[in-house]
Amino acid sequence: GENVEQHPSTLSVQEGDSAVIKCTYSDSASNYFPWYKQELGKRPQLIIDIRSNVGEKKDQRIAVTLNKTAKHFSLHITETQPEDSAVYFCAAIPNQAGTALIFGKGTTLSVSS
Amino acid sequence: DVKVTQSSRYLVKRTGEKVFLECVQDMDHENMFWYRQDPGLGLRLIYFSYDVKMKEKGDIPEGYSVSREKKERFSLILESASTNQTSMYLCASRAPGGGSGPGYTFGSGTRLTVV
Repeated sequence: GENVEQHPSTLSVQEGDSAVIKCTYSDSASNYFPWYKQELGKRPQLIIDIRSNVGEKKDQRIAVTLNKTAKHFSLHITETQPEDSAVYFCAAIPNQAGTALIFGKGTTLSVSS
Repeated sequence: DVKVTQSSRYLVKRTGEKVFLECVQDMDHENMFWYRQDPGLGLRLIYFSYDVKMKEKGDIPEGYSVSREKKERFSLILESASTNQTSMYLCASRAPGGGSGPGYTFGSGTRLTVV
């Protein structure tokens, strides 16, 4: 089955800096890669996703890149703000009916002002 | 917006009790999921269901079972609760579309403590 590795487990940056979180996956059949943000005490929320026929996707200050050959994808946050502080999860799912998202272990991002 | 509702926010149960965690979604989604979330371990898949009365084991099904008698409701059952099942339990649902498609919508979670 799918296995998703996520690094780093914790990341501390200064406000205004960029943050990068990296994930690798094992199942070459995976073709959908979402990222979730979970603020303290709240449910995970989808912030951006990418499909395998796309190499990069951007939404304002966040972007995701995908390298299918190397089986890794990354989340990039530019001009970080204190409200970006949260736990971020990457996930992957194969293109088959009856499958489920497999998540990485999460990255705790702390943005200090 | 899709609403995924978990019946209890906090729950305290005794070792050996049978525990039911309920999840209801209001958007006619076929796919529903149960994860547990532990610090440093992320979200781990317990069971999921892609149709009424259908269920599939996830990565950590031991000690759990599920029930999906109606499309909108997916229940997680701890047959005999143990202290190592103390955790945050998250339910999620997803619209149909095969393996890819829109992301999940999560419930608010149930923090279960087994004493």
